[in-house]
Amino acid sequence: EAQVTQNPRYLITVTGKKLTVTCSQNMNHEYMSWYRQDPGLGLRQIYYSMNVEVTDKGDVPEGYKVSRKEKRNFPLILESPSPNQTSLYFCASGETSGRYNEQFFGPGTRLTVL
Amino acid sequence: GNSVTQMEGPVTLSEEAFLTINCTYTATGYPSLFWYVQYPGEGLQLLLKATKADDKGSNKGFEATYRKETTSFHLEKGSVQVSDSAVYFCALSDNYGQNFVFGPGTRLSVLP
Repeated sequence: EAQVTQNPRYLITVTGKKLTVTCSQNMNHEYMSWYRQDPGLGLRQIYYSMNVEVTDKGDVPEGYKVSRKEKRNFPLILESPSPNQTSLYFCASGETSGRYNEQFFGPGTRLTVL
Repeated sequence: GNSVTQMEGPVTLSEEAFLTINCTYTATGYPSLFWYVQYPGEGLQLLLKATKADDKGSNKGFEATYRKETTSFHLEKGSVQVSDSAVYFCALSDNYGQNFVFGPGTRLSVLP
């Protein structure tokens, strides 16, 4: 089954404790992206990647890191999480840059930073 | 920068009513426009898209037309069903299809 998987689905952590949210897709997509969803703000793009070893900042990259060492994986790293990073996070992938093709979204990771 | 504005929700309709969710955008160049739908507890799914002016996207009875002159991409459906209850997001991608911007979402509830 073609899908985007994220782990963990739920995470409660404390301020300053480094964490990684994994994202993996099995559709051989070149494009991958991370978003956070907050009430009243919709989805905001954190980082995206056009291909292996190519990443770029989205609209809200502060406090986040990403890496793209393999085509299928695009982990999101929070080196020192803070309460304002409490949010619902979505990973997405697409065949090309996404302009003409749809993005496929993972099920989401709900993160709470205390 | 680019931005998307959607009508405030929630929107509550009776089954078989006509649906319109307004979406307007601000963008430079030639963005592509999308409507995504999010069912409870799930990720977003593409509902329809339009990649150039005057294109009409359609899927599952939903339609939206890319209007460059009014910078709009309003979502319409002639007869909604209870199963259409979800949150609907209008979105655009930039010229290069790299940077995506989403609206805040509109929650639709359809009552039997």
